[in-house]
Amino acid sequence: GAVVSQHPSWVICKSGTSVKIECRSLDFQATTMFWYRQFPKQSLMLMATSNEGSKATYEQGVEKDKFLINHASLTLSTLTVTSAHPEDSSFYICSARDVAGGEYNEQFFGPGTRLTVL
Amino acid sequence: GQNIDQPTEMTATEGAIVQINCTYQTSGFNGLFWYQQHAGEAPTFLSYNVLDGLEEKGRFSSFLSRSKGYSYLLLKELQMKDSASYLCAPLDSNYQLIWGAGTKLIIKP
Repeated sequence: GAVVSQHPSWVICKSGTSVKIECRSLDFQATTMFWYRQFPKQSLMLMATSNEGSKATYEQGVEKDKFLINHASLTLSTLTVTSAHPEDSSFYICSARDVAGGEYNEQFFGPGTRLTVL
Repeated sequence: GQNIDQPTEMTATEGAIVQINCTYQTSGFNGLFWYQQHAGEAPTFLSYNVLDGLEEKGRFSSFLSRSKGYSYLLLKELQMKDSASYLCAPLDSNYQLIWGAGTKLIIKP
């Protein structure tokens, strides 16, 4: 149980285009999903916290107009990187917390999406 | 501020035991997680401690001392597949995970 999927696994796009990444909780409901970014050999950086049915909470320094987050249902959150540039190339990871709390109230992570902007 | 301190890299031998230490400073504390992350993959949950003491789970054990802001992950009977980064992540007062850069563990035959 507690499986989180992400789609696509990897994407290559041209500078200036927009890319949408989906995060789904497959066998549980998640009122809260988290979006992280990780550059090589660096720690996970929380970008935003997504709550179902309400606006996402963005971390300081993350542009909300550039990284659009939609959490329309208890099993799906999407991150859209608008007008992507090479510096947006990174590993994007989502995680979800079970509504029921889970044994440790832990976050379950998706497999990640590797974005390369040319 | 909030801070996590772990060794950047450790090397150990297959079959041996290794202890990865973590010290932390957070605004409030609601427990501490250890995650394993293989290169190019997302983190996977290993353990959670909220009370002082040792939690054992098969080959992996995790220890917490809240008064010292200290935790360690103990890995026994090391296998080659244990080569990965190990992330210590405390939960702050807002139940937000605070991430360090992790410890890269290299296992040699």
